[in-house]
Amino acid sequence: DVVMTQSPLSLPVTLGQPASISCRSSQSLVHSDGTTYLNWFQQRPGQSPRRLIYKVSNRDSGVPDRFSGSGSGTDFTLKISRVEAEDVGVYYCMQGTHWPLTFGGGTKVEIK
Amino acid sequence: EVQLVESGGGLVQPGGSLRLSCATSGFTFSSYWMSWVRQTPAKGLEWLANIKQDGSQEDYLDSVKGRFTISRDNAEYSLYLQMNNLRAEDTALYYCVRDIVGDIWGQGTMVTVSS
Repeated sequence: DVVMTQSPLSLPVTLGQPASISCRSSQSLVHSDGTTYLNWFQQRPGQSPRRLIYKVSNRDSGVPDRFSGSGSGTDFTLKISRVEAEDVGVYYCMQGTHWPLTFGGGTKVEIK
Repeated sequence: EVQLVESGGGLVQPGGSLRLSCATSGFTFSSYWMSWVRQTPAKGLEWLANIKQDGSQEDYLDSVKGRFTISRDNAEYSLYLQMNNLRAEDTALYYCVRDIVGDIWGQGTMVTVSS
């Protein structure tokens, strides 16, 4: 199975400051169709996961543009340009290239 | 508005069975792959099973293969997960998820396996 490793586990951030989360996969996420199926999810306290980013860098509808995704191959990053209070929660990367689909262990974003 | 509403969770003894349901609305159900994902504090998020639009293909996580069966009723806009021979480690919050890229999630239904 593809192992997804996120860092850091916990990310205390000052409001208005940037935040960055790293995700590394144990093998390339480039599918045979040429697409890289790497998604990012946000899970706010008490809520279901919500997809923010799909195929590395595409924002879902309604996702603020302060969220951005980048990367290729096995190394990916989620960036929040200016953290707001509503961004508190756990963020997960997930690969959709290889079965079984797998998630990272999560990064908890909290306000300092 | 797209909605996925799970039901059917509860307390079951080891070795028992449960059938989860997911009622959907707000989109053309028959046009999408559908999936089940579970979440536990210990193992995090696990993608359990997928089913193709017409039900002709199913994929399963190894740890549930042979015990869990995903199915769908396109006429009823519903997704199901039949869970047999349940184990303590199947205790989790179970989510119904649209597509194999997880764009929409339900609120989850809790399954507890305990004697």
